[in-house]
Amino acid sequence: GNSVTQMEGPVTLSEEAFLTINCTYTATGYPSLFWYVQYPGEGLQLLLKATKADDKGSNKGFEATYRKETTSFHLEKGSVQVSDSAVYFCALSDQGGGGADGLTFGKGTHLIIQP
Amino acid sequence: EAGVVQSPRYKIIEKKQPVAFWCNPISGHNTLYWYRQNLGQGPELLIRYENEEAVDDSQLPKDRFSAERLKGVDSTLKIQPAELGDSAVYLCASSALDTQYFGPGTRLTVL
Repeated sequence: GNSVTQMEGPVTLSEEAFLTINCTYTATGYPSLFWYVQYPGEGLQLLLKATKADDKGSNKGFEATYRKETTSFHLEKGSVQVSDSAVYFCALSDQGGGGADGLTFGKGTHLIIQP
Repeated sequence: EAGVVQSPRYKIIEKKQPVAFWCNPISGHNTLYWYRQNLGQGPELLIRYENEEAVDDSQLPKDRFSAERLKGVDSTLKIQPAELGDSAVYLCASSALDTQYFGPGTRLTVL
């Protein structure tokens, strides 16, 4: 079956540090890949997505590249801010080109940015 | 544009009691999902609707859980009777194309 593995948290960084949150996946077919973010007290929000190999999703300074050869979709940001503190979820949809199927999520990574 | 609306936001019940959650998706979204998120975990799909048809309910514990989406708009998820292990956040999401939009969730505590 499908599965998503992401690095355990919490991850604690200082403001302006470089961020990487690792995500690897197992899927049949050609999944679409997503990063969702959950800020304290709020619901899940889509951060970025990529629907085919070598696509790069980006939003709010965050980037992730769909790497089929390594089955990875690592999240990166060059300079984090305190406001980036949240829980980040990597997810996949096992339907090429879209997310109509249910999503399979990782366990989430809690990111804490200290001023 | 209004987002996905869920109610109630919080619910505390005794075990063996029934409970129901309501979801109103984004207008025009034909696909609706219910997920359960246990503490410290990612959400897990319970059921997916295309309009009023449940097209994937393979992960729904059918002995105690039921769901409906009459008229292909609002949806209700019910648990009867609730067990201690049902304590979780129940999330509703909807989509029109390739992106799912989530509601704020209902946090259920079973005592």
